[in-house]
Amino acid sequence: QSALTQPPSASGSRGQSVTISCTGTSSDVGTYNYVSWYQQHPGKAPKLIIFEVSKRPSGVPNRFSGSKSGSTASLTVSGLQAEDEADFYCSSYAGNYNWVFGGGTRVTVL
Amino acid sequence: QVHLVQSGSDLKKPGASVKVSCKASGYIFTSYSINWVRQAPGQGLEWMGWINTNTGNPTYAQGFTGRFVFSLDTSVTTAYLQISSLEAGDTAVYYCARASDTWYELDYWGQGTLVTVSS
Repeated sequence: QSALTQPPSASGSRGQSVTISCTGTSSDVGTYNYVSWYQQHPGKAPKLIIFEVSKRPSGVPNRFSGSKSGSTASLTVSGLQAEDEADFYCSSYAGNYNWVFGGGTRVTVL
Repeated sequence: QVHLVQSGSDLKKPGASVKVSCKASGYIFTSYSINWVRQAPGQGLEWMGWINTNTGNPTYAQGFTGRFVFSLDTSVTTAYLQISSLEAGDTAVYYCARASDTWYELDYWGQGTLVTVSS
């Protein structure tokens, strides 16, 4: 299966919001509500920040929120802080015990 | 607390094999599957597949069949990724990650293992 499509970069000023899209197909994002988002700082392992489209694991700030419409999922980071500068990846269940990642989006805090 | 600790970086010559380990602790090892994810230098995450830690049954993503083998040693709560006939294109950081109890996302990750393939 092909990778999910994310914009390569996004940016926002401190305190503002940024939204990242993640476009899949009817075989993955469009069919399953099993979209997750991961944050990765340079040189570090990814960290789960959103699962099942819009749920946050314990300890993840509510500045991070997720949604989905059709075959496109979105991650919004509100009240941008310096520490939010990182790479963000979406992932979706693609059926038949397979998963797929997006290409990643680098978020810059201006 | 849950920890996944991977083996250290490795430098291999083309054609050789490498075995990356992922030692799990802090939970019942056989209750959560282990996934493997590749990240080539400067590139994104690529899902390689997963192994059922209860049955030992592996599932490989497209592009990761043949030279890639997932295995377990449940007696030491460790998962392994073996790559044979290494090529320069296999140079990457390899992560192990635990699937959550809802199964569809990866809630804990190892620190990553850099495998460099170079002559």
